[in-house]
Amino acid sequence: IQLTQSPSSLSASVGDRVTITCRASQGISSYLAWYQQKPGKAPKLLISAASTLQSGVPSRFSGSGSGTDFTLTISSLQPEDFATYYCQQLNSYPLTFGGGTKVEIK
Amino acid sequence: QITLKESGPTLVKPTQTLTLTCTFSGFSLTTSGVGVGWIRQPPGKALEWLALIYWNDDKRYSPSLKSRLTITKDTSKNQVVLTMTNMDPVDTATYYCAHSPPLYGPGSYYLDYWGQGTLVTVSS
Repeated sequence: IQLTQSPSSLSASVGDRVTITCRASQGISSYLAWYQQKPGKAPKLLISAASTLQSGVPSRFSGSGSGTDFTLTISSLQPEDFATYYCQQLNSYPLTFGGGTKVEIK
Repeated sequence: QITLKESGPTLVKPTQTLTLTCTFSGFSLTTSGVGVGWIRQPPGKALEWLALIYWNDDKRYSPSLKSRLTITKDTSKNQVVLTMTNMDPVDTATYYCAHSPPLYGPGSYYLDYWGQGTLVTVSS
């Protein structure tokens, strides 16, 4: 299963609403996770099952979608949110990742 | 709390075999449903899922690398070992191990705790 993220990068300002899209090559129900990765650090799990926020993750992050189309939304971008975001499908092996979306400061 | 740490060589020569060890604490690989996976990331590129081993010794591999990969576990040492044969410069990457929670079925294969990663460079 291929995952295509868009855009591959974006520039945004603090306070902006940001939406990242992940499209699967075939239906994966709600079996999708989102990760955040900062430079030089390991990825951090944000969301599982397409929309389940992990403990400790700020509520400005939200996920939605099912089937082939998914979105990660940051409702009000904060300085610590500038990072690269990856989706991962959890439907079947191999558990592929998307190509990533880099969120940069405008 | 759950922690994982990768260890192994930082430099390997082309054609050599890479052996990486993931040493973990805070959970047991004898607990039903638990898994440990390996993921890599070439410099400046995206994450690539490699392999995963479960508490019951069920093993899953990336099809594109399956012929080169072996994943094993040593529950007495709380370790998971990944070997990759016939290393090539394109295998230069940061290699991560990560914990998969004790759940079952599609949707449960996410990775909730990650090691810090170890950079492996393949060069003669």
